[in-house]
Amino acid sequence: EADIYQTPRYLVIGTGKKITLECSQTMGHDKMYWYQQDPGMELHLIHYSYGVNSTEKGDLSSESTVSRIRTEHFPLTLESARPSHTSQYLCASSEYNDQPQHFGDGTRLSIL
Amino acid sequence: QKEVEQDPGPLSVPEGAIVSLNCTYSNSAFQYFMWYRQYSRKGPELLMYTYSSGNKEDGRFTAQVDKSSKYISLFIRDSQPSDSATYLCAMKGNNAGNMLTFGGGTRLMVKP
Repeated sequence: EADIYQTPRYLVIGTGKKITLECSQTMGHDKMYWYQQDPGMELHLIHYSYGVNSTEKGDLSSESTVSRIRTEHFPLTLESARPSHTSQYLCASSEYNDQPQHFGDGTRLSIL
Repeated sequence: QKEVEQDPGPLSVPEGAIVSLNCTYSNSAFQYFMWYRQYSRKGPELLMYTYSSGNKEDGRFTAQVDKSSKYISLFIRDSQPSDSATYLCAMKGNNAGNMLTFGGGTRLMVKP
């Protein structure tokens, strides 16, 4: 069973605030991913990392940024939240290229 | 046109029924195929992971891949109310750097 944790699970916050969504995994996986998922819609990749100090943008354009200073930690930051950022954010990790991704339970973000 | 198409449902079946969930895709480079189950307010949970064409069985779940038709299926035997969830198909190619392309998910409801 995958051990990947996301905090907070739910966040309601006002426009203009700086937000950091936390993602940690205890499996030592090199690869980590952030997805955005709106209700009833498919997951869209917004950021990924192949290892420490590696970050790349995904298919879906996002105003968020990520960092990967430690293998186990892959936080996502929004410098100035807007209502358009309201969504569910899912973090995932995988071991090798031919291994499946394992997901956390997500952060449901609501910007007022 | 989306790369991966999945009927959004909802699909409602009585307890004990055999359920068939399907995805079609257009990218012939896809080699790895996954099915995830996602309960409300939770992250996707990996159910089945297959490589190339063929069948794979795990308990009540059977995954089928037909690459010639670009069609994958997940069968659930003796469906239970606890199977009620959204089922996501996902797939990737050999050179995709482990990035996945998801279907939009099918919502399944199993009624007691």
